[in-house]
Amino acid sequence: AQSVAQPEDQVNVAEGNPLTVKCTYSVSGNPYLFWYVQYPNRGLQFLLKYITGDNLVKGSYGFEAEFNKSQTSFHLKKPSALVSDSALYFCAVRFSNTPLVFGKGTRLSVIA
Amino acid sequence: DTGVSQDPRHKITKRGQNVTFRCDPISEHNRLYWYRQTLGQGPEFLTYFQNEAQLEKSRLLSDRFSAERPKGSFSTLEIQRTEQGDSAMYLCASSSGLAGSYNEQFFGPGTRLTVL
Repeated sequence: AQSVAQPEDQVNVAEGNPLTVKCTYSVSGNPYLFWYVQYPNRGLQFLLKYITGDNLVKGSYGFEAEFNKSQTSFHLKKPSALVSDSALYFCAVRFSNTPLVFGKGTRLSVIA
Repeated sequence: DTGVSQDPRHKITKRGQNVTFRCDPISEHNRLYWYRQTLGQGPEFLTYFQNEAQLEKSRLLSDRFSAERPKGSFSTLEIQRTEQGDSAMYLCASSSGLAGSYNEQFFGPGTRLTVL
């Protein structure tokens, strides 16, 4: 069965520093990978996805993610963190006809 | 606002009562999904519709849960004889595309259910 692991419950980073939020997946075959962000009292917002092609995917708000098939990872990155990036981030995976499976989430805290 | 909307945003009920939630997807989206999210967890898939057809249901969806999308537009999720373990955020999402599509899902703000 497909699964997603976000090994860090919390990530703290200083404003202006680069950030990484980790995600690994366990599937067989070719996955579709997604990152979503959840702000308090708001729905999940789509950030970016990997379907096929270039392993480096660029998304909203300056975020990007790198697909690494050999390590089955899809880490979210941003070169320079903002305080407004503080939120809950979810990695998700699916195959062509399977439901979207989410990780438990990583809370990002950007400190001014 | 042309995003996904859900009603109500909050619902407090007593154990044993029935509750019904509504989701209005983005108008041109043919796929609609229901998820449940508890504290400290990611959303868990419950069921989804393509147009009016309910194509898949999770094992999480006990027989007390029923979902409909009668005209392929809005959807309702009903929970009968609520239990305290049903307390959660219920999320609705919609997307466009055919089966197997990798289009992203757009989420509503959720309905928070508290069962006393």
